Amino acid sequence: QKEVEQNSGPLSVPEGAIASLNCTYSDRGSQSFFWYRQYSGKSPELIMSIYSNGDKEDGRFTAQLNKASQYVSLLIRDSQPSDSATYLCAVTERNTGFQKLVFGTGTRLLVSP
Amino acid sequence: DTEVTQTPKHLVMGMTNKKSLKCEQHMGHRAMYWYKQKAKKPPELMFVYSYEKLSINESVPSRFSPECPNSSLLNLHLHALQPEDSALYLCASSLSYNSPLHFGNGTRLTVT
Repeated sequence: QKEVEQNSGPLSVPEGAIASLNCTYSDRGSQSFFWYRQYSGKSPELIMSIYSNGDKEDGRFTAQLNKASQYVSLLIRDSQPSDSATYLCAVTERNTGFQKLVFGTGTRLLVSP
Repeated sequence: DTEVTQTPKHLVMGMTNKKSLKCEQHMGHRAMYWYKQKAKKPPELMFVYSYEKLSINESVPSRFSPECPNSSLLNLHLHALQPEDSALYLCASSLSYNSPLHFGNGTRLTVT
C-alpha cells in the first residue's frame, strides 16, 4: 500500500511569516513529487513539482526533496492571507507509466492578517 | 483560469437517471484522468486514458463508464448512481509521463 502522509493541521502562521509544510512517502521508487494548493470547494492547483534531491525555488515557494529520507517539504515565504488553503502533497507510484498520483490527505494552512 | 474545461459545474441527479460529465483540453496532452474527491479527503484516481486508450481502471464500479472520443475529450457516463457517489469529480490531463497533472474546475455531483 503506497502511502503519503501529511499533518492535517491546521497550521496557523501570521502574515509575513514562513510556513513549512511537510510530507513523507512510503514508495522508495517514487520519482516525481508535486505540491498542489486547493481552496475550499475548488480544484487542486499545481504549485510546485520536484524530481531530484535538493531545493527548487519559484517565487515565494521552495520545494525540498530528500529521497534518502523519503521526505518532501514546501516552504512559503512572506505568507499572505490568500495562501490560506489546503496543500496536497502528491507522489507518483513507481513504474506506472503515465501519472498515477498518490495524494496525501493535505495540510490546512491558515495565515492570519 | 484552467485550461482543462469541465461541464457541467454542478449536477443533481436521481438514482435512476443517466447523465454524462464532459472534459476538454486543447494543450496537446496525451493522458487524461478522472478523479473523485469527497469532502475533506484527497482526490482518488478512477481512470487514466493514455493516447485515447484506457490504461488504468482503479476497480471503479460499472455504473461509471469512461469514454475518450479523441485526444482532447474525455467523458464520464453515469448510470444508476448511489447517494454515496456524491462528490467532486475532477478531470485532469498531462503532457506525458512525469509531467504534472493539470486539473479542471471539477463537477460537483449530488445524487438524490
